[in-house]
Amino acid sequence: AQTVTQSQPEMSVQEAETVTLSCTYDTSESDYYLFWYKQPPSRQMILVIRQEAYKQQNATENRFSVNFQKAAKSFSLKISDSQLGDAAMYFCAYRTPQGGSEKLVFGKGTKLTVNP
Amino acid sequence: DSGVTQTPKHLITATGQRVTLRCSPRSGDLSVYWYQQSLDQGLQFLIQYYNGEERAKGNILERFSAQQFPDLHSELNLSSLELGDSALYFCASSPGLAQWAQYFGPGTRLLVL
Repeated sequence: AQTVTQSQPEMSVQEAETVTLSCTYDTSESDYYLFWYKQPPSRQMILVIRQEAYKQQNATENRFSVNFQKAAKSFSLKISDSQLGDAAMYFCAYRTPQGGSEKLVFGKGTKLTVNP
Repeated sequence: DSGVTQTPKHLITATGQRVTLRCSPRSGDLSVYWYQQSLDQGLQFLIQYYNGEERAKGNILERFSAQQFPDLHSELNLSSLELGDSALYFCASSPGLAQWAQYFGPGTRLLVL
């Protein structure tokens, strides 16, 4: 079964600085998708960024970028120029298009605090 | 705003009762997913529907059931409620099955007393 591990339960960063959140996953599949979701205090789950495993280029969305290392099964999220509004729980998620289910498998999350 | 709506936002009920949670997917999305978020279990996949048909089941209890209607909205029915069913229940939708990301609704917060 696929598993997703986020080894940092909590992280903090100073406003305007850069922070990297870690995620590793375990799978025997070669084709899959990875996502980062943000959950602010409102509890809404917001898609931040996604990465297709077959793409070598790392995904980027404005201040958010990933470092995807397929061989190491690592998928970290880098937030540049951190803002107060970035404070939230961040969840890494995995999905395979195979097996008859497109369910997301989530990590336990990392709570990010942004200090002014 | 993801375009996925869920009602009600909050629900307080007693043990043994039955409740229905409703989800309307984004316009055009055929696939609907239900997830449960609790403190001890984290985010868990419950069930998926695609164009009216059940596609996959996850950690869904037998006391729980769901369906997707012809207009593509979905309902999650929770019966014989227990204290441990208290959680945040999310609905998510996606256009198709393959590579599409899932967009989440605001969730229904269920408290069983």
